[in-house]
Amino acid sequence: DVKVTQSSRYLVKRTGEKVFLECVQDMDHENMFWYRQDPGLGLRLIYFSYDVKMKEKGDIPEGYSVSREKKERFSLILESASTNQTSMYLCASRPTRLLTQYFGPGTRLLVL
Amino acid sequence: AQKVTQAQTEISVVEKEDVTLDCVYETRDTTYYLFWYKQPPSGELVFLIRRNSFDEQNEISGRYSWNFQKSTSSFNFTITASQVVDSAVYFCALGKAAGNKLTFGGGTRVLVKP
Repeated sequence: DVKVTQSSRYLVKRTGEKVFLECVQDMDHENMFWYRQDPGLGLRLIYFSYDVKMKEKGDIPEGYSVSREKKERFSLILESASTNQTSMYLCASRPTRLLTQYFGPGTRLLVL
Repeated sequence: AQKVTQAQTEISVVEKEDVTLDCVYETRDTTYYLFWYKQPPSGELVFLIRRNSFDEQNEISGRYSWNFQKSTSSFNFTITASQVVDSAVYFCALGKAAGNKLTFGGGTRVLVKP
C-alpha cells in the first residue's frame, strides 16, 4: 500500500509566522504535489516536484515555496503566514509510470 | 484551459437509496484521463477509479458504477444501495495525458442517513 504521511493533522499559527508543512511518502515516487482545499473550490495545485531539487509552480503558488532535498520528502513553506492561507493542505505523490496520485491525510491550518 | 464542474454541492439520501453524482468536464485535449476520489471525514482522498478518454466502457465495482459519455463530456458516478459509510465528499478530476496537473471539481458532499 502507498503511504503518504503529513507531519501534522492540525496547526494553529499567527499572522507573520513562518510555517513548514512536511510530507513523506514511502513508495519511492518521483512526483510529489501540494494542494490546498477550500469549500466549493475543490483542490488547487500550489506546487509540484518531479525530482529531487526540482519544482514547478502550480495554479496558486503566491505566498508559498517548497523544498525537496530528498526523494521521499516534500516540504511546503509559508514564508509569512496570512489569514487567507487558512485552509486544508493536502500532499500527494505518484510514480512517473502511473497517472494516479495518492494522497496524505491532510493538514488543517488555521492562521490567526 | 481545463475545467471540471460538479453542479451538486450536497446530496442527502436515506440508506439503501441510489445516488448519482454528476461530473462535467471541459478540455481541448484528445487524450486525457478522468478520476473519482472519495474524501471521508478523516480527510484523506481515496482513489476510486481512473478512465482514459479512449475507453468509454462503463464500469462497475461492487456498489459503485461509472458512466463515461464523451459526447456530453460527462463522467457520472452512481452508488447503488447507499450505506452510511458512503458519507463523504466525492471529487471528480481531469488529467492531461502528459504532465502532472490534475484539475479538480468543487466536490459533492454525500450524506447517507440511516
